[in-house]
Amino acid sequence: DQQVKQNSPSLSVQEGRISILNCDYTNSMFDYFLWYKKYPAEGPTFLISISSIKDKNEDGRFTVFLNKSAKHLSLHIVPSQPGDSAVYFCAASNSGSRLTFGEGTQLTVNP
Amino acid sequence: DSGVTQTPKHLITATGQRVTLRCSPRSGDLSVYWYQQSLDQGLQFLIQYYNGEERAKGNILERFSAQQFPDLHSELNLSSLELGDSALYFCASSQVGGPNYGYTFGSGTRLTVV
Repeated sequence: DQQVKQNSPSLSVQEGRISILNCDYTNSMFDYFLWYKKYPAEGPTFLISISSIKDKNEDGRFTVFLNKSAKHLSLHIVPSQPGDSAVYFCAASNSGSRLTFGEGTQLTVNP
Repeated sequence: DSGVTQTPKHLITATGQRVTLRCSPRSGDLSVYWYQQSLDQGLQFLIQYYNGEERAKGNILERFSAQQFPDLHSELNLSSLELGDSALYFCASSQVGGPNYGYTFGSGTRLTVV
């Protein structure tokens, strides 16, 4: 049972434009959501998170939006830079339990 | 350097063999998590240890086992290896029992079973 799903395996955008990565979840008990970024030959690194009591969290060029009624979250990167090219994983937890990850989306930002 | 050390980085072994993957968590972190990433798959949770005790178990096969030692390093043992066990194995650590401050991941061990 895949409780966290990233339906787009890949996304390609032009440098300077907005990148929008999407994530859906099925478990309504999830109360904390995170995005991780992974470069080849490295482990995932924490990017940004959001608690279920909020609907938006912003950190520089990165903003995460949470729509609890739709069980959907998204990561916006504005403006996108070539260095943002990586695999992005969405993750969720329930009351501090271990993280459940999605399958990942490969973002490619073209110069 | 994330502070989480995984060894070895690469491992090639034959079917039926047994291997041990090692993880040293970031200094001060008590929780260790093991994840498996197969081709085109997300990060599948295997098992979590907290301060030496097993805390949570995911889809870990019976052929796999893990432990966390008093110095907090952890080992993941994979036995009777099959071709399908070829994957990236990640270890992550966190300060407390939960992930709300995020995990810190190691760079992974790439296991190839031939």
